[in-house]
Amino acid sequence: DQQVKQNSPSLSVQEGRISILNCDYTNSMFDYFLWYKKYPAEGPTFLISISSIKDKNEDGRFTVFLNKSAKHLSLHIVPSQPGDSAVYFCAASGAPGGYQKVTFGTGTKLQVIP
Amino acid sequence: NAGVTQTPKFRVLKTGQSMTLLCAQDMNHEYMYWYRQDPGMGLRLIHYSVGEGTTAKGEVPDGYNVSRLKKQNFLLGLESAAPSQTSVYFCASLLAGDQETQYFGPGTRLLVL
Repeated sequence: DQQVKQNSPSLSVQEGRISILNCDYTNSMFDYFLWYKKYPAEGPTFLISISSIKDKNEDGRFTVFLNKSAKHLSLHIVPSQPGDSAVYFCAASGAPGGYQKVTFGTGTKLQVIP
Repeated sequence: NAGVTQTPKFRVLKTGQSMTLLCAQDMNHEYMYWYRQDPGMGLRLIHYSVGEGTTAKGEVPDGYNVSRLKKQNFLLGLESAAPSQTSVYFCASLLAGDQETQYFGPGTRLLVL
């Protein structure tokens, strides 16, 4: 049972445009959400997070939006740059597993075309 | 400060062979994790540890054992490797009380023939 879903396995965007990566979750007990970025042959690295008490969190070119009623979050990258080409994992944590246990989605491969 | 390191980087095993993957972190983190990444499956938690001497099962623990004898090391063992265990294995660590950042190692690519 996939509790965190990323339905788009890949996405291509022109440099300078907006990239929107989507994520859905089924477990209403999740209350902390994260995005990780992964380059080939490297481990994932933390990108941005959001708590369920917020609906938006911004860090430079990266913004995460959370819609709790729809159990949906999205990552916006504006403007997209070729260096953003990577696999992006959505992740969630909280009760009952605790914040130390994170559930990851299947990932979306983003390609930013120069 | 090396962060999280994994040994080896790549290994080929024959079915039935055993091996141990080593994860080491120098950040004094309490929590450590082993994940496997397979195409279309994302990162799935195998086992994790919330402290020295304690381990717990994750989402896909069958066929694996772990040990956390020292705070800085987390070992993942395959007693009798199977082709289904062909995967990329990632270790991660997390500071207790930090909700955000799991630090990942570079991964170990394992091929079981």
